[in-house]
Amino acid sequence: QVHLQESGPGLVKTSQTLSLTCTVAGGSISSVDHYWTWVRQPPGKGLEWIGYISDTGSTSYSPSLESRFTISGDTSQNQFSLKVTSVTAADTAVYYCARGHYSGHDHGPLDYWGQGTLVTVSS
Amino acid sequence: SNVLTQPPSVSEAPGKTARITCGGDNIGSKSVHWYQQKPGQAPVLFISYNTNRASGIPQRFSASKSGNTATLTISRVEAGDEADYYCHMWDSGADHGVFGGGTKLTVL
Repeated sequence: QVHLQESGPGLVKTSQTLSLTCTVAGGSISSVDHYWTWVRQPPGKGLEWIGYISDTGSTSYSPSLESRFTISGDTSQNQFSLKVTSVTAADTAVYYCARGHYSGHDHGPLDYWGQGTLVTVSS
Repeated sequence: SNVLTQPPSVSEAPGKTARITCGGDNIGSKSVHWYQQKPGQAPVLFISYNTNRASGIPQRFSASKSGNTATLTISRVEAGDEADYYCHMWDSGADHGVFGGGTKLTVL
């Protein structure tokens, strides 16, 4: 059974950098069959795609987001991470990591999700 | 950039059929996936690749796609089906995922 667990601070000060890590158990982030994503959800709002990292370490981000977001992977720890620089109150959200499933050349559904972690940005 | 449009809310009485739509210009050529999210919980994959129920999902849940609209159908609606439902597809041109805005299903 695949299990994803987000970790990181629950409170970040305005203008600082938010760092989150997703630890994966029961599956490898180097698997050619999967990609690894970050999704966030502001309080009371819908899901927002942030970006993903592939099995080869290549990354892609939602074009609606600024370049403040960086996703990286650590295959030795079977973890992948998200960094958000210069945070503001608008970055307050529950942050989820999730596993995506490839089908052929298609980026398929997110079949396993972490429980999510609430990050509050405050001065 | 692709946009997926869902109605903010749908209400239906127990035992009836609820339908949640997801519209987008390029849906016809894409695979659409559906997730259920209950308050305080992570989303759960319900339907993948337009019509395929995920493991353990009741047959009351089905989905289809016609033209530029995908539809999630919940037959014999139960109180436990109250949740937010999100559609999702991949924007291959921009290489990123896209979520619909979500639909809150209320069971009357």
